[in-house]
Amino acid sequence: KAGVTQTPRYLIKTRGQQVTLSCSPISGHRSVSWYQQTPGQGLQFLFEYFSETQRNKGNFPGRFSGRQFSNSRSEMNVSTLELGDSALYLCASSLVGGRGETQYFGPGTRLLVL
Amino acid sequence: AQSVTQLGSHVSVSEGALVLLRCNYSSSVPPYLFWYVQYPNQGLQLLLKYTSAATLVKGINGFEAEFKKSETSFHLTKPSAHMSDAAEYFCAVSETGGATNKLIFGTGTLLAVQP
Repeated sequence: KAGVTQTPRYLIKTRGQQVTLSCSPISGHRSVSWYQQTPGQGLQFLFEYFSETQRNKGNFPGRFSGRQFSNSRSEMNVSTLELGDSALYLCASSLVGGRGETQYFGPGTRLLVL
Repeated sequence: AQSVTQLGSHVSVSEGALVLLRCNYSSSVPPYLFWYVQYPNQGLQLLLKYTSAATLVKGINGFEAEFKKSETSFHLTKPSAHMSDAAEYFCAVSETGGATNKLIFGTGTLLAVQP
């Protein structure tokens, strides 16, 4: 079974632009979560989607948004990019997103904002 | 609120030596605990998880962790380090409350293995 895939793997943008990242979960998984990883703040939860609904959201500004499609694929969008948005963005999928359920992570999208 | 503390941001061991990576948690309810490993330029890979079935949890690649409620600890060990174990290791606790699988991660421990 194929793992979690994320596209693109690398991205360079300039301040003020917007960006969309994509995540395809493991087949049969309906929950998708997003995390931001930076050297300064570590791994931080962005949001979780289940059955096309955002079920939980982390403490990030409204510039960060996401959505999930009927096939469970998910996208996250960051508008008006800031230098501090440079990070590795990780997507994780699990069967139904229950507490304690194993989450499988993708390789991440590395975003550099200049 | 749940939290995780990983003592030691950098740990260096010799090949063949014992690996011990420390993790202490804070949780208002019985926790679900995880150890993940991250190799350079890769995502996170699950090593093992604790879900209250057994206090000693065995994972992949020879790693294991013991849940100690009295010490609120979930330290990761491996009897004999291999060069391929060099990576960053993250301890995480599952948040409580509501329908969520949100993970709260520690700051990570970078493990170096010396030949």
